[in-house]
Amino acid sequence: AQTVTQSQPEMSVQEAETVTLSCTYDTSENNYYLFWYKQPPSRQMILVIRQEAYKQQNATENRFSVNFQKAAKSFSLKISDSQLGDTAMYFCAFMKGNNNDMRFGAGTRLTVKP
Amino acid sequence: EPEVTQTPSHQVTQMGQEVILRCVPISNHLYFYWYRQILGQKVEFLVSFYNNEISEKSEIFDDQFSVERPDGSNFTLKIRSTKLEDSAMYFCASLDRGALATEAFFGQGTRLTVV
Repeated sequence: AQTVTQSQPEMSVQEAETVTLSCTYDTSENNYYLFWYKQPPSRQMILVIRQEAYKQQNATENRFSVNFQKAAKSFSLKISDSQLGDTAMYFCAFMKGNNNDMRFGAGTRLTVKP
Repeated sequence: EPEVTQTPSHQVTQMGQEVILRCVPISNHLYFYWYRQILGQKVEFLVSFYNNEISEKSEIFDDQFSVERPDGSNFTLKIRSTKLEDSAMYFCASLDRGALATEAFFGQGTRLTVV
């Protein structure tokens, strides 16, 4: 079974600073997808960014970018110019390419401080 | 923008009672999921559903749980005899694999409280 590990239960960052959330995963698959989801206090899960394992280029979405290290099975999320609205739980998730079962890490609670 | 809708937003039930949580996935999606999140804890996979049958289920999804797509639009999770430890947020998600879209869209969740 695939496992997803987020080793940072809580993090904080000053507004406008940069923060990196870590995620590692364990799989024997070669074809898979990785995601970061944000869960604000409203509790709805919102996709932040996704990465296809076959792509070498790191995904970027505005202030959000990833550092995907396939050999190391690492998928960290960098948030630049942090905003107060970025305060949320962030979940790393893994999905195999040949089915659609998505598994989540334990989450990192990020607090952006003014 | 299409969205996944869950009802009710909050359900309170007595231990031992049956509950049905409802979800309306995005209409052209083919894969559906239920996840559970005990307050403040990790998001746990319960079950995935495709082509009118369960494709995978976790160890949490025991005989007291069942899923159904009764009318081609709704996707329901039934808990037959609720226990206190079933109290959690339950999230429904849907995904359109056919278009190679690799994003699961989540509903806003149903908070289930078992008393």
